Amino acid sequence: DSGVTQTPKHLITATGQRVTLRCSPRSGDLSVYWYQQSLDQGLQFLIQYYNGEERAKGNILERFSAQQFPDLHSELNLSSLELGDSALYFCASSVRDPWAGGGNTIYFGEGSWLTVV
Amino acid sequence: AQTVTQSQPEMSVQEAETVTLSCTYDTSESDYYLFWYKQPPSRQMILVIRQEAYKQQNATENRFSVNFQKAAKSFSLKISDSQLGDAAMYFCAYIGGTGGGNKLTFGTGTQLKVEL
Repeated sequence: DSGVTQTPKHLITATGQRVTLRCSPRSGDLSVYWYQQSLDQGLQFLIQYYNGEERAKGNILERFSAQQFPDLHSELNLSSLELGDSALYFCASSVRDPWAGGGNTIYFGEGSWLTVV
Repeated sequence: AQTVTQSQPEMSVQEAETVTLSCTYDTSESDYYLFWYKQPPSRQMILVIRQEAYKQQNATENRFSVNFQKAAKSFSLKISDSQLGDAAMYFCAYIGGTGGGNKLTFGTGTQLKVEL
């Protein structure tokens, strides 16, 4: 158990709909990351927050948005869903802000399986 | 940009035997960190082992050890006494240590099969 909690574990929804994925980081971790893993694909970095502030953006679509709340949990919002958005969405956390240097160990949650039908 | 290459899409090992998974990386940074993550059929990403580039000593975690060759930019994972539960996809990953934001870069993975 990495200590990173993601809900829901599985979600099936229709095209055009909107969903919210939730993540609670490990106790004491201030950085939260979101990754997407499609079937037979590697992990794609989406976005990263540190202590409530957006710090880095990767290959995140405009239809997707995220935020980190004062209690440090984070939500990833996916809207106008398409079949190609079906994937495993990982949340991960680390203690430090990667912009501060010094290295970081990133721990992953169990992921949220999203199926768009 | 940093790149991570895993040239072995699949590997097989007999139970109780030893297997080595290869990983090479390319970077211009002097300070960085390398990881191996395991992804079993459940698809959970599990941290296996971590290596700091400034450390000459190879990291070890129980049956898992690495062979870190900084000059060659090579970071292989050795699994000793392989068990059925080791069957998984293994990802090599790199993160820069000098700041500049998230640079956790993954390789394409090696699927490890463990046979009886």
